[in-house]
Amino acid sequence: EAGVAQSPRYKIIEKRQSVAFWCNPISGHATLYWYQQILGQGPKLLIQFQNNGVVDDSQLPKDRFSAERLKGVDSTLKIQPAKLEDSAVYLCASSRRFTGGAGELFFGEGSRLTVL
Amino acid sequence: SQKIEQNSEALNIQEGKTATLTCNYTNYSPAYLQWYRQDPGRGPVFLLLIRENEKEKRKERLKVTFDTTLKQSLFHITASQPADSATYLCALDPGGSQGNLIFGKGTKLSVKP
Repeated sequence: EAGVAQSPRYKIIEKRQSVAFWCNPISGHATLYWYQQILGQGPKLLIQFQNNGVVDDSQLPKDRFSAERLKGVDSTLKIQPAKLEDSAVYLCASSRRFTGGAGELFFGEGSRLTVL
Repeated sequence: SQKIEQNSEALNIQEGKTATLTCNYTNYSPAYLQWYRQDPGRGPVFLLLIRENEKEKRKERLKVTFDTTLKQSLFHITASQPADSATYLCALDPGGSQGNLIFGKGTKLSVKP
């Protein structure tokens, strides 16, 4: 089966500009996650979707970050305006429904953002 | 406050030896604990999942233990190979219908030939 697809792989922007990342999860996976991974850190959850509904966005900086998952399939994460501290890898992951927990997450290769 | 700690940022061992990585947590009661491998420039890849009522899980050269009393998981790679060199991430799953993972910082393992 095809894996989680993400684009673009790399993006360099100036601070205060905007950027959008796209993710297409594995077919049939109901749950989609966006994680932020700063260099030397573990991934940090930004937002979790179950089908096209938001399950958890408690750590999403909503003044500048937004995400949507139209029709419960692919998803877009947007940052506007970007700050220097947003430089990170943005990882998309998906999972099947798993009773009682997250289950195994399948990650994409990530989108590396550099804000100058 | 809730905290996940992986014992060291880096671990260097000789080929053929057993690598042991540690994951400690405080103020969590995870239902599951997972381990992932991450290579440079790549996304994490799932290795093993262990439930809170399981003491040990094995998969080929990998072994995970989970001690909910000590709030600790140990991850072992036996007969290590240079190809095992990567960053290994511990992740806690609080369980429940919501289900998301909370990751540690990772331990970078280097296996020297």
